[in-house]
Amino acid sequence: GNSVTQMEGPVTLSEEAFLTINCTYTATGYPSLFWYVQYPGEGLQLLLKATKADDKGSNKGFEATYRKETTSFHLEKGSVQVSDSAVYFCALSDEGSGSNYKLTFGKGTLLTVNP
Amino acid sequence: GAVVSQHPSWVICKSGTSVKIECRSLDFQATTMFWYRQFPKQSLMLMATSNEGSKATYEQGVEKDKFLINHASLTLSTLTVTSAHPEDSSFYICSARAFGGAQYFGPGTRLLVL
Repeated sequence: GNSVTQMEGPVTLSEEAFLTINCTYTATGYPSLFWYVQYPGEGLQLLLKATKADDKGSNKGFEATYRKETTSFHLEKGSVQVSDSAVYFCALSDEGSGSNYKLTFGKGTLLTVNP
Repeated sequence: GAVVSQHPSWVICKSGTSVKIECRSLDFQATTMFWYRQFPKQSLMLMATSNEGSKATYEQGVEKDKFLINHASLTLSTLTVTSAHPEDSSFYICSARAFGGAQYFGPGTRLLVL
């Protein structure tokens, strides 16, 4: 079956530090990959996505590249801000027929950015 | 664009009552909607998948008679927690999948059963 493994947190950084949150996956077929962010007390927001190998998703300074050879989709940001403090979820979507496009989530990584 | 709403955002009810949660895609038509449950500091657990006009598909271990899902249109799905008990207290989140796109999530509904 499909699975997503992401770096366990919590991750604590100072403002303007470089961020990497690792995410690897196992899947049958050719999944789409996503990063979602959840701020305290809120639902999930789509941060970025990539639908095929070598695609780079980017948004709000965050980037992730779909690496099929290493089955990875690591999230990076060059300079984090206090407002980036949240839980980040890596996810994949089974795009195969009959899959109903269910998302498989990683366990989430709590990021805290201190001023 | 791609906004999903949930109503209510908070609900407190007595044990034994039923609670209905609505999920709406406001600016797009959703081919499929999903219902999740999230426990504190944990990831989302998929409860069921619903397609407009057909019966929901429940994940293993989820009681379909307890968590009734109705997907009346391409923009509305409802989850009814029947005969709620304190162990049903949780954060319930819906998502909607647009044609050929990602899933967009609602803001969640926090249910507390007393």
